[in-house]
Amino acid sequence: SAVISQKPSRDICQRGTSLTIQCQVDSQVTMMFWYRQQPGQSLTLIATANQGSEATYESGFVIDKFPISRPNLTFSTLTVSNMSPEDSSIYLCSVYYNEQFFGPGTRLTVL
Amino acid sequence: AQTVTQSQPEMSVQEAETVTLSCTYDTSENNYYLFWYKQPPSRQMILVIRQEAYKQQNATENRFSVNFQKAAKSFSLKISDSQLGDTAMYFCAFMKLSSYDKVIFGPGTSLSVIP
Repeated sequence: SAVISQKPSRDICQRGTSLTIQCQVDSQVTMMFWYRQQPGQSLTLIATANQGSEATYESGFVIDKFPISRPNLTFSTLTVSNMSPEDSSIYLCSVYYNEQFFGPGTRLTVL
Repeated sequence: AQTVTQSQPEMSVQEAETVTLSCTYDTSENNYYLFWYKQPPSRQMILVIRQEAYKQQNATENRFSVNFQKAAKSFSLKISDSQLGDTAMYFCAFMKLSSYDKVIFGPGTSLSVIP
């Protein structure tokens, strides 16, 4: 199994600022995934992050708004830039390690 | 592109009774995985059950079982002997087998188990 931790677990931010979310996995994995879960909604994939290459973004998500780093096989960061209240969501990190594992999520509130 | 549909936004069941959650999906792939995930109020995603599309036998995990109809692209979840701890959001999900690709989630069904 894979154990995933995320920091911070929650944050309240002002509009126009940026927040970087960290994801740490206890196993080396090739791909890491970042999902967004808006209030009362399902999970939507933001991007796939491979170590050593640029992240692949899904339709509707762009690198300028959600830059991602993947410096090694156990760590990734997602930055939510120039935040607005519409960015208020839970952001989840996920990996595939024989099955899909999810982090506990980061609850972001933008005022 | 793959899509996953769950037609029941909310459901409720009496404790100890049986409930079935529906899921349909659309794909042109032949080899894939289907999942049911549970998300309790703690928001931690928990894998309930997994089905490989190439297996005809329906997957079971204790009180949880699925009815997988590949031709109909249907994948329902049956929860037997419902318990209060089963109260959660349940998401049906799809993943291509070829590259252990991203997981596509359905909109979810909110299940309430009533004492």
